[in-house]
Amino acid sequence: DAGITQSPRHKVTETGTPVTLRCHQTENHRYMYWYRQDPGHGLRLIHYSYGVKDTDKGEVSDGYSVSRSKTEDFLLTLESATSSQTSVYFCAIRQGGNTEAFFGQGTRLTVV
Amino acid sequence: DQQVKQNSPSLSVQEGRISILNCDYTNSMFDYFLWYKKYPAEGPTFLISISSIKDKNEDGRFTVFLNKSAKHLSLHIVPSQPGDSAVYFCAASVGTYKYIFGTGTRLKVLA
Repeated sequence: DAGITQSPRHKVTETGTPVTLRCHQTENHRYMYWYRQDPGHGLRLIHYSYGVKDTDKGEVSDGYSVSRSKTEDFLLTLESATSSQTSVYFCAIRQGGNTEAFFGQGTRLTVV
Repeated sequence: DQQVKQNSPSLSVQEGRISILNCDYTNSMFDYFLWYKKYPAEGPTFLISISSIKDKNEDGRFTVFLNKSAKHLSLHIVPSQPGDSAVYFCAASVGTYKYIFGTGTRLKVLA
């Protein structure tokens, strides 16, 4: 299994509070991604990173920010959580070129 | 605008028969395609991929077919097994940065 760890695995938070999800990899892969999975929408890309301090927006980036200060860590922050951000969040890593991405186990976030 | 579409939300197949999962895409610039399988409460796991320079790739019971003129991708599972019951996602990329996923098809293999 690819060395990728998401934390926390489950979180319940209140509307309006900031939340940070962490993705940690031990594979030294260049690319890291945050996706969210929702019924009827599949997996949608939030943000991705192509190197330390190099990030870009995905399809559904509004309300989210990311940071990557080290190769191994990619943080996703919900600045002010809303109920529409209740979802399962997946981190993925990829080496580069035409290669597959490896996914973490997911974080189930509930905003009440 | 959904660039990668899986129009069948679910599919049921008898054990031992062929499962065919379909995926359509709209961006002709996509050059790499993948299929992932996902069990409940787990992350998606990679199954098989195909480059746009090929029209078929095979790995054991799994074969992916690519029809570029129709912008259509399919995954064949032969023979289907109960353990194949899962949600299957197709994904596509252009360049090397990011993958766009479809909405998924839930496959149920009946024993």
